[in-house]
Amino acid sequence: QVQMKETGPGLVQTTQTLSVTCTVSGFSLTSYGVHWVRQAPGKGLEWMGIIWGDGSTNYNSALKSRLSISRDTSKSQVFLTMNSLQTDDTAVYYCAEMDTMGYWGQGVMVTVSS
Amino acid sequence: DIQMTQSPPVLSASVGDRVTLSCKASQNINKNLDWYQQKHGEAPKLLIYYTNNLQTGIPSRFSGSGSGTDYTLTISSLQPEDVATYYCYQYNSGWTFGGGTKLELK
Repeated sequence: QVQMKETGPGLVQTTQTLSVTCTVSGFSLTSYGVHWVRQAPGKGLEWMGIIWGDGSTNYNSALKSRLSISRDTSKSQVFLTMNSLQTDDTAVYYCAEMDTMGYWGQGVMVTVSS
Repeated sequence: DIQMTQSPPVLSASVGDRVTLSCKASQNINKNLDWYQQKHGEAPKLLIYYTNNLQTGIPSRFSGSGSGTDYTLTISSLQPEDVATYYCYQYNSGWTFGGGTKLELK
């Protein structure tokens, strides 16, 4: 049974760095890519980036300078790190396997406040 | 970057109606397009992959079509549980979501 679950800080101060973890079960991170997608309150979905099964990454060009995606395959965890946060980074952050199985986590709400 | 434009932004329809949602890409995406349904407070759910393939467990009243730059999601007979926002998503060149169509009951 495939499961994906995001965990994060809830509240982050502006200019600080966000770290969100996606813990997966039911599949191997070396075989499937994991995407990150976010959704600001009342807004649409924004694709952020992906870490592929081979560990390579691709990023949204608008976020690339601030964003990093990494993983620990031994723990089945994928990490999203984004620096220089502003209030418009307030969003629900989702991890998802979108290329084969179509599984998403429940999302984690992150509020950026000064 | 490829831009995805969905229309209309909001659609009101009655139970039993045939509903058509549109998605237009800024360039040819070679049918590399999925459709997602998102109900309020929930994560998106995959409905259709690669333009016209129904995801397992999705009711057959949902169907997709299209080619080139123009794609369509059709609900053959709208049900109350179909109230949601629908997003198209292209993965032909980079990865981009459309802005969404909010489907309401009339």
